[in-house]
Amino acid sequence: NAGVTQTPKFRILKIGQSMTLQCAQDMNHNYMYWYRQDPGMGLKLIYYSVGAGITDKGEVPNGYNVSRSTTEDFPLRLELAAPSQTSVYFCASSYGGSRATDTQYFGPGTRLTVL
Amino acid sequence: GQQLNQSPQSMFIQEGEDVSMNCTSSSIFNTWLWYKQDPGEGPVLLIALYKAGELTSNGRLTAQFGITRKDSFLNISASIPSDVGIYFCAGLKGSSNTGKLIFGQGTTLQVKP
Repeated sequence: NAGVTQTPKFRILKIGQSMTLQCAQDMNHNYMYWYRQDPGMGLKLIYYSVGAGITDKGEVPNGYNVSRSTTEDFPLRLELAAPSQTSVYFCASSYGGSRATDTQYFGPGTRLTVL
Repeated sequence: GQQLNQSPQSMFIQEGEDVSMNCTSSSIFNTWLWYKQDPGEGPVLLIALYKAGELTSNGRLTAQFGITRKDSFLNISASIPSDVGIYFCAGLKGSSNTGKLIFGQGTTLQVKP
């Protein structure tokens, strides 16, 4: 298993550009999450999904959109990039279900800079 | 928003020393988790705590879920250079079945050989 994969690893955007951060998992996990990590801070939840076709906002959803058309993929879309979105983005997945506390597996991250 | 306060913010210790870090909150959590993040990588789960008062070990790591359910600590015994990284606590509130975690700010650990 590759686990959780994220692409690209690095990206520089100009203000106002758009892009999609890709996330895929091959563990047949139901739950998937997007976090951002700012320097010296913990992770903050952007969006999450408990299954294909179901998404919901996390703590910091503004400026982002997600979709979950398949169990494996959970892309994160930035429509109009702003400098405040400069961060490291992590995707995670977990089996979910009745034991919501089970392990979340994280991808390697995408480092995004908006200039 | 909700916050977990993690301390210390950073530590610089000698190889072989023991390390202790903790996490506190003003509100109750039903689950506490401790993650480690290596440079350029995503966090990896070290220990999960599900019950107030629970004490759990994973090799040289020991973590406890505070009795009040508002705090947790992580100890690392006999530190080695590969312990270097950022350690995060994370909490899960209530009976949510979405797995939404709240993360602390992290403790950066450096170990001098």
